Amino acid sequence: EAQVTQNPRYLITVTGKKLTVTCSQNMNHEYMSWYRQDPGLGLRQIYYSMNVEVTDKGDVPEGYKVSRKEKRNFPLILESPSPNQTSLYFCASAGQGAGKLFFGSGTQLSVL
Amino acid sequence: QKEVEQDPGPLSVPEGAIVSLNCTYSNSAFQYFMWYRQYSRKGPELLMYTYSSGNKEDGRFTAQVDKSSKYISLFIRDSQPSDSATYLCAMQRDDKIIFGKGTRLHILP
Repeated sequence: EAQVTQNPRYLITVTGKKLTVTCSQNMNHEYMSWYRQDPGLGLRQIYYSMNVEVTDKGDVPEGYKVSRKEKRNFPLILESPSPNQTSLYFCASAGQGAGKLFFGSGTQLSVL
Repeated sequence: QKEVEQDPGPLSVPEGAIVSLNCTYSNSAFQYFMWYRQYSRKGPELLMYTYSSGNKEDGRFTAQVDKSSKYISLFIRDSQPSDSATYLCAMQRDDKIIFGKGTRLHILP
């Protein structure tokens, strides 16, 4: 089954404790992206990647890191999480046509 | 002015009605236009993907793009309670995809 898999689904952590949210897709898509979704603000892009070893900042990249060492994986790293990074995070991938996004199920992150 | 504007709703309509959802945009560089549906606590799923001005139909859904007015619409015919969700418009220019904030839709049985 074609899918984008994010882990974990729920994560509660404390300020400053480094964390990684994993994202994997099995569709051989070149484009991958991370979004955060907040009430009243909608979906905002954090980082995206057009291909292996190519990453670019989205609209809200501060406080986040990504890497794209393999085509299927695109982890999101929070080196020192802060409470304002409490949000619902989505990973997405696309093949031909970056707008034809397949989304993962989301990761609800709470930073205390 | 925001690049993409979308009324957040909520919008409540009776079952069987025709639903009209809309977005406006300010940047004429947008080339592709999408509509996504998002159920509560789920990831968005692509409903419609269009490029040119005009209409595109898929079952009960019709996407309409008017580039001269910078306006896109999604029509849902014979609406069902299962259509209750948040609908997000999205637009692409080069590698960048901008989402509207979404409209919450409730179909009343």
